[in-house]
Amino acid sequence: SQQGEEDPQALSIQEGENATMNCSYKTSINNLQWYRQNSGRGLVHLILIRSNEREKHSGRLRVTLDTSKKSSSLLITASRAADTASYFCATDGRNAGNMLTFGGGTRLMVKP
Amino acid sequence: DAGVIQSPRHEVTEMGQEVTLRCKPISGHNSLFWYRQTMMRGLELLIYFNNNVPIDDSGMPEDRFSAKMPNASFSTLKIQPSEPRDSAVYFCASSSGLAGRGDTQYFGPGTRLTVL
Repeated sequence: SQQGEEDPQALSIQEGENATMNCSYKTSINNLQWYRQNSGRGLVHLILIRSNEREKHSGRLRVTLDTSKKSSSLLITASRAADTASYFCATDGRNAGNMLTFGGGTRLMVKP
Repeated sequence: DAGVIQSPRHEVTEMGQEVTLRCKPISGHNSLFWYRQTMMRGLELLIYFNNNVPIDDSGMPEDRFSAKMPNASFSTLKIQPSEPRDSAVYFCASSSGLAGRGDTQYFGPGTRLTVL
């Protein structure tokens, strides 16, 4: 089964609104990453948060991590139509070497 | 850097034919990953190489699939014989391996495979 599970599976919002996506995982991690995938393209790394961090910002992105609940959230503020994409969380396991396990993704649609 | 390069970008073949997908990782990266993505199963890790050596191939679906990495700058994923259920987008990704664990991965554009 997948290490990370995103919630919701799909999200539709209006431009300018905030979008929040959640990720839950099962085993201990060293870090958690969020990736974005535009339709028909490869995944692109957005942000990495380490297990000893609780919150991280990058531009309009805000990521939180709660290791006690084994969950993370990705917040995109002031969304734009160009943010329309699928968003995936990925976790490493403490014994997973250099591998990542990706969740099923959240499909975000931002309507202009 | 040109990023991870994959070829071909699209492949249409008939059931039973051999298919070879190619990947050139980012120069200097020592980890390479092959993934398969479908609507039904999402993104699945097929195999992971570190320093050209296969480390984990538990995701390879069956003996029809094989992967090689003859040197640090080239890898292939071969399907022989191909079947319609192999139709998917196949991604190659690489990472530097400097962090030791959970490095950021850089994905190629993918190969969209259709087996008729």
